[in-house]
Amino acid sequence: EAGVTQSPTHLIKTRGQQATLRCSPISGHTSVYWYQQALGLGLQFLLWYDEGEERNRGNFPPRFSGRQFPNYSSELNVNALELEDSALYLCASSLGQVARGTQYFGPGTRLLVL
Amino acid sequence: SQQGEEDPQALSIQEGENATMNCSYKTSINNLQWYRQNSGRGLVHLILIRSNEREKHSGRLRVTLDTSKKSSSLLITASRAADTASYFCATESNTGKLIFGQGTTLQVKP
Repeated sequence: EAGVTQSPTHLIKTRGQQATLRCSPISGHTSVYWYQQALGLGLQFLLWYDEGEERNRGNFPPRFSGRQFPNYSSELNVNALELEDSALYLCASSLGQVARGTQYFGPGTRLLVL
Repeated sequence: SQQGEEDPQALSIQEGENATMNCSYKTSINNLQWYRQNSGRGLVHLILIRSNEREKHSGRLRVTLDTSKKSSSLLITASRAADTASYFCATESNTGKLIFGQGTTLQVKP
């Protein structure tokens, strides 16, 4: 069974540009989560989507946004990139709200903002 | 903010020895999960322990949970060089999000 997949693996952007990161959950999982792992800041929760709706949001500015598609895949968009957005962005999936439990992570997208 | 505090921050042991990592948290939880991360890659799920459980085993891993002290420990027995990685605890509490500790970096010397 395929795990969580993310694309691209690496992304280089310049300050002010927009970045789009993609995630495909494990088959049968309806919840998708996004986390940021920046140097020195640890793993921080960004967003949680379930059944196409945003269920929870971490303490990040509005320029971090996303969506979940009918096939449960998800996009994370970061607008007006800043240098400190450079980080590893991890996506995870789990069974839906009712059966919340283990979150399975993808390999991540490493974003570098120059 | 990070709820989990992990101790120690770094641990270096010889192959074959046991490694113990501790995690403390602040609020009530549904479950606590332990993950491993190799060299800045994705997280690998190790074990989940629910708030009504006290101990759980999986292969060479043993996790304990003390909700009265808001703490958990991960024991890796008979460590191997391949266990070298960063280990994170994460708590989940009805919000869907995982709150991670800062992690313990484990080095197992062959």
